Amino acid sequence: QGQLVQSGAEVKKPGASVKVSCKASGYTFIGYYIHWVRQAPGQGLEWLGWINPYNGVTKYTQKFQGRVTMTRDTSISTAYMELSSLTSDDTAVFYCATSSEEWYLDLWGRGTLVTVSS
Amino acid sequence: SYEVTQPPSVSVSPGQTARIACSGDALPKQYGNWYQQKPGQAPVLVIFKDSERPLGIPERFSGSSSGTTVTLTISGVQAEDEADYYCQSADISGTYVVFGGGTKLTVL
Repeated sequence: QGQLVQSGAEVKKPGASVKVSCKASGYTFIGYYIHWVRQAPGQGLEWLGWINPYNGVTKYTQKFQGRVTMTRDTSISTAYMELSSLTSDDTAVFYCATSSEEWYLDLWGRGTLVTVSS
Repeated sequence: SYEVTQPPSVSVSPGQTARIACSGDALPKQYGNWYQQKPGQAPVLVIFKDSERPLGIPERFSGSSSGTTVTLTISGVQAEDEADYYCQSADISGTYVVFGGGTKLTVL
């Protein structure tokens, strides 16, 4: 039974960066992609990108290119998502989720609330 | 950038059938997947690869595909099915993931 445990809520000031972690257990970490999805208050799901934990290859949606960095530490089965130059529009719940190459996200973390406020 | 489009809201009475369509130019080549999200909770996969149902998802949830449209069908809707439903697929290259804007299902 796989599980993704995300780090706790964060409060950041505009212009700062945030790094959210996602620790995997119960499955082979390097066998599945990790995706990051965010959801602003009252809004829909927005995909940020994925990382292949096997080789570290990443793909980011164009909107976040240059501002998002996804990394992983295979020794502790943990993926990270760092978002820089935060504005109030980045206030959202950030989810990590897994998929195979068939791109359906079948295991989700509980989400991490990131609040950007001066 | 690639998009998939779904209606913002659907309303049905209990026991009736709800259908939520999702359209996108890449859907003839890429699978459509569906997620249910209730307030304050993470999304849950309810249909994958157009029409497959994960273990533990009730049989009243089904999916279909035709051309550039995939459809989520909920037969015999129950009050507990009231939630937001999101369509998800990939772009034509199969590299980038995309979500639809979400459909709020209201059970009258």
